[in-house]
Amino acid sequence: DTGVSQNPRHKITKRGQNVTFRCDPISEHNRLYWYRQTLGQGPEFLTYFQNEAQLEKSRLLSDRFSAERPKGSFSTLEIQRTEQGDSAMYLCASSLATGTGGETQYFGPGTRLLVL
Amino acid sequence: KNQVEQSPQSLIILEGKNCTLQCNYTVSPFSNLRWYKQDTGRGPVSLTIMTFSENTKSNGRYTATLDADTKQSSLHITASQLSDSASYICVVNRQTGANNLFFGTGTRLTVIP
Repeated sequence: DTGVSQNPRHKITKRGQNVTFRCDPISEHNRLYWYRQTLGQGPEFLTYFQNEAQLEKSRLLSDRFSAERPKGSFSTLEIQRTEQGDSAMYLCASSLATGTGGETQYFGPGTRLLVL
Repeated sequence: KNQVEQSPQSLIILEGKNCTLQCNYTVSPFSNLRWYKQDTGRGPVSLTIMTFSENTKSNGRYTATLDADTKQSSLHITASQLSDSASYICVVNRQTGANNLFFGTGTRLTVIP
């Protein structure tokens, strides 16, 4: 399977614990995005990388959230001191940016987080 | 303000019937518009992509239309099947800026036998 993969698919944690999610993009894609989606809503942008550089972060990304893409391939999203409001689906997407704009983002299956 | 609005919020139809989902947007400058299908608990999957010059595009039983003048798009599903039950999200891509995708909140479609 050469699509975007995410691990784990589900995570249940207690409030205050740290969690880390992983995203493996389509191999030749240079852009990687993280989104958060709550029930009944569309995805909300969190951050994105072009290769290993984190170029933009949403105001939704509080100090407790950190994302990395150390070698320009896979990415991790860590949430520290989780809160119940962090419960959501965390989606990763990747795309091949060619400079002409309008590239298609391919989404992974998501990681569903439940904070008790 | 760049926005994407979808209607209806939810829809229930009988298997075999047709339905049409609406998307209005104010995103500018416009690059393209996509319809995604998102099954419960899964990531969105692209159904169609419409550029400025395209009015209609079909993908099997899915037909998307775009009116770039009125900034409206529709997704028509014919002969619905139970497997069509999902959320359908309209996503508009702006020409400029790297984080240039604007998502609607989706229409939740339920097809019942």
